[in-house]
Amino acid sequence: NAGVTQTPKFQVLKTGQSMTLQCAQDMNHEYMSWYRQDPGMGLRLIHYSVGAGITDQGEVPNGYNVSRSTTEDFPLRLLSAAPSQTSVYFCASSSYLNTEAFFGQGTRLTVV
Amino acid sequence: AQTVTQSQPEMSVQEAETVTLSCTYDTSESDYYLFWYKQPPSRQMILVIRQEAYKQQNATENRFSVNFQKAAKSFSLKISDSQLGDAAMYFCAYRSDVSGANSKLTFGKGITLSVRP
Repeated sequence: NAGVTQTPKFQVLKTGQSMTLQCAQDMNHEYMSWYRQDPGMGLRLIHYSVGAGITDQGEVPNGYNVSRSTTEDFPLRLLSAAPSQTSVYFCASSSYLNTEAFFGQGTRLTVV
Repeated sequence: AQTVTQSQPEMSVQEAETVTLSCTYDTSESDYYLFWYKQPPSRQMILVIRQEAYKQQNATENRFSVNFQKAAKSFSLKISDSQLGDAAMYFCAYRSDVSGANSKLTFGKGITLSVRP
């Protein structure tokens, strides 16, 4: 099983550029989430989804958009990148049957 | 809103010794889950151990065990017989037990554990 796959693993953007971080899971999980990890801050929830077509905001949603058109995919869009969005981004998925969250390998994003 | 506090940013342990990582949390809920995640330099998030709040018995997984004190809202991780491969950042995390909360983890700031050979 591939589990949770994030692409790309590394990305450098210029301020103002837009991009999409991809996340796909092959475990048929209902729940998916995006977190950002910053030094000294732990992981903070950006957006989450409880199923296809249903998304909601987490703790730090500003500057990010998400959609969930299929169970498998949960892309995170940066509309106009800012240096404050320099971070490591994690996608996670879980099932209502299991308490464990499965994480992707993370994307290190640098905005210059 | 729930909060998770890890007050020690760094700890160090001698190989083969025991170390305890502290975590406290704040919640008004009675049913929830607590987790310890390990993040090695590879960046991968690895579940170490989980605890259901309704269970009085402390969870154990091989060399890893927790001391769960529900009334005190404390959830510490004990690593016995520390190994070099235990060196990593460790995160304490909370998840509510309400419907739909599976996708919402609240993390502490993490603690960096180093293991001295």
